[in-house]
Amino acid sequence: EPEVTQTPSHQVTQMGQEVILRCVPISNHLYFYWYRQILGQKVEFLVSFYNNEISEKSEIFDDQFSVERPDGSNFTLKIRSTKLEDSAMYFCARKRRGLAGGALGYNEQFFGPGTRLTVL
Amino acid sequence: GESVGLHLPTLSVQEGDNSIINCAYSNSASDYFIWYKQESGKGPQFIIDIRSNMDKRQGQRVTVLLNKTVKHLSLQIAATQPGDSAVYFCAENRAGNQFYFGTGTSLTVIP
Repeated sequence: EPEVTQTPSHQVTQMGQEVILRCVPISNHLYFYWYRQILGQKVEFLVSFYNNEISEKSEIFDDQFSVERPDGSNFTLKIRSTKLEDSAMYFCARKRRGLAGGALGYNEQFFGPGTRLTVL
Repeated sequence: GESVGLHLPTLSVQEGDNSIINCAYSNSASDYFIWYKQESGKGPQFIIDIRSNMDKRQGQRVTVLLNKTVKHLSLQIAATQPGDSAVYFCAENRAGNQFYFGTGTSLTVIP
C-alpha cells in the first residue's frame, strides 16, 4: 500500500510563530494519526483523526495543537505558538484498509517520511 | 510509571548471523504489539505484529515471540543483511488506537 507524503520536509521557525505541517494521503482514507519524535527519543502519539474528527489525543496534544482536514484531502497539524521544545520530527500516519477488526495487521499504520521542525 | 522499553540500545551483528532484539513492557492490559523498523531519515515501517493470545508469529525472515508471564517481546531476524541496519521499535497498543513506542534499539550489520 502506498504511504502518505508530508510537506515540508524541513520547517524552520522562530519561537512563538505558528506552523502548519501537511500530510497528503491517498483519497478515501478516513483514519490518520500524528506522531512526533524528538531527536534521539521515542516516537510519541499525538492525535488520531477519524472521519474528520479527533478520535483520541495524548496529553502532549494541548491547546497549542490542532488538526483538521480543511479541503478533504490534506490533513494538517497546526502548532499555534511554537516553543523550543516543539523541535522534533513530526510523522503523519494512516491506517491500513481492508482488514476486519481483530485480524492481524488491522492496526498497521503506514508512516510518512516526516517533517523536521526546528524552532529557534 | 508504566512504559515500553528496550533492553539494549545498540546491537551489532555479522552479516548472515541471526539478530535478536528485545523489548520489555509493563502494562499487562496491552493486548497487541507491533515491531517497527526505522531507517535514517524515514518514518517507522511496520515489520510484524502479534496479539496477546499468541506466543509466536513468523514472517519473512522475522519472528516475534511474546512472553506474557514476564512481559517480554522479542524480534528475531534470520540471516541478517546489511539492509536490516536500522533502529527497531516495539510498540504496544493498550486501548483504542494509541500506540506507545519504546526507545528503540539500533541494529548495525557488519559486512
